[in-house]
Amino acid sequence: DTAVSQTPKYLVTQMGNDKSIKCEQNLGHDTMYWYKQDSKKFLKIMFSYNNKELIINETVPNRFSPKSPDKAHLNLHINSLELGDSAVYFCASSQGTAGGPLETQYFGPGTRLLVL
Amino acid sequence: QKEVEQDPGPLSVPEGAIVSLNCTYSNSAFQYFMWYRQYSRKGPELLMYTYSSGNKEDGRFTAQVDKSSKYISLFIRDSQPSDSATYLCGGSSASKIIFGSGTRLSIRP
Repeated sequence: DTAVSQTPKYLVTQMGNDKSIKCEQNLGHDTMYWYKQDSKKFLKIMFSYNNKELIINETVPNRFSPKSPDKAHLNLHINSLELGDSAVYFCASSQGTAGGPLETQYFGPGTRLLVL
Repeated sequence: QKEVEQDPGPLSVPEGAIVSLNCTYSNSAFQYFMWYRQYSRKGPELLMYTYSSGNKEDGRFTAQVDKSSKYISLFIRDSQPSDSATYLCGGSSASKIIFGSGTRLSIRP
């Protein structure tokens, strides 16, 4: 029973292509996140949704567009992929956003994106 | 300046040693602090959180926060090879966690 799952695990694609990464959580959480982890392991938040509403939108190129069809799913679509988009993308979820234990984030296994 | 600074390591210690991992932060609005552990090719998982200055202990792990100096520490006693991982510290405010860059730790048998 995977709590937070992502597909695909690996994604190798050419510059300029459009790709999507899907995320699903079965924890009944209200909040979901997308993070980008670069080659130096720096983990940076990109977006956060609470009950399908966008609540955090960091300084991310508008080529990245998140979509939350329901509170258990948060997908990430990337247009016109660039070399610098190569990274590991993590989805996460938490019960709430109030902080403390309610904000404990559960991470998926990551999607390794390589843009050639 | 990054909001959370962390020495990337790598840090290599023999089994049984006490490990000290440290972070500094600049954002005074942080209300909660946490440590996540990330094994190779896996997602991070919460190890400990704390919301005030002082120590919090959980088994072999102790988290320490000093808000006056904006310093976060994690101590691991009796370190085991299974503790080998990257450790990410973080501070939380405004519904988001800001992570440090992670310290890679290796415990030698």
